[in-house]
Amino acid sequence: AQSVTQLGSHVSVSEGALVLLRCNYSSSVPPYLFWYVQYPNQGLQLLLKYTSAATLVKGINGFEAEFKKSETSFHLTKPSAHMSDAAEYFCAVTLNTGTASKLTFGTGTRLQVTL
Amino acid sequence: DAGITQSPRHKVTETGTPVTLRCHQTENHRYMYWYRQDPGHGLRLIHYSYGVKDTDKGEVSDGYSVSRSKTEDFLLTLESATSSQTSVYFCAISEFWKSSYEQYFGPGTRLTVT
Repeated sequence: AQSVTQLGSHVSVSEGALVLLRCNYSSSVPPYLFWYVQYPNQGLQLLLKYTSAATLVKGINGFEAEFKKSETSFHLTKPSAHMSDAAEYFCAVTLNTGTASKLTFGTGTRLQVTL
Repeated sequence: DAGITQSPRHKVTETGTPVTLRCHQTENHRYMYWYRQDPGHGLRLIHYSYGVKDTDKGEVSDGYSVSRSKTEDFLLTLESATSSQTSVYFCAISEFWKSSYEQYFGPGTRLTVT
């Protein structure tokens, strides 16, 4: 079985500062990993995904994530936070993508961006 | 935009009443999913479908049933709603893109059981 742990339910950064949202996974086989963003009262939007093609993955809105097998991590980063980045972020894992790709989600990290 | 709509978007119902939520997609995707979102739990899978009349249970399926009689519609039914089923419900579809399946989500239904 797979699982995901997101460290920090709330993260606050200043506008222009580095954003770092942490995600660690547990999986018995190589996983597929995803980051989603949820703006208030909206559904989830896919930010980026890791599918073993490259360990550094670039996504939308300037976000990127690095897969580190030795640390079982897939942390999300953005060099410079913008006010519009304020949202909740979810890390998710699945073991197979050949059929129904059932996702297991972390509990989410709410990002606050201050002036 | 994966062409997913959910109805109703908001619903308040009383304990013990049946409730059906509808997910509709316009792009002929094979796989569809129902999740619930609760504070401190993230999203949890309730049921999923891998084709017309083909469904299976997810992590938190107790108290829920689903049906898929057409490719475009995936219905979630609470046979007798309880207060513990107050939640935000999301429908999702899977689409294969660049070596893996990706899930795309609908706008959600906020359900309150009083």
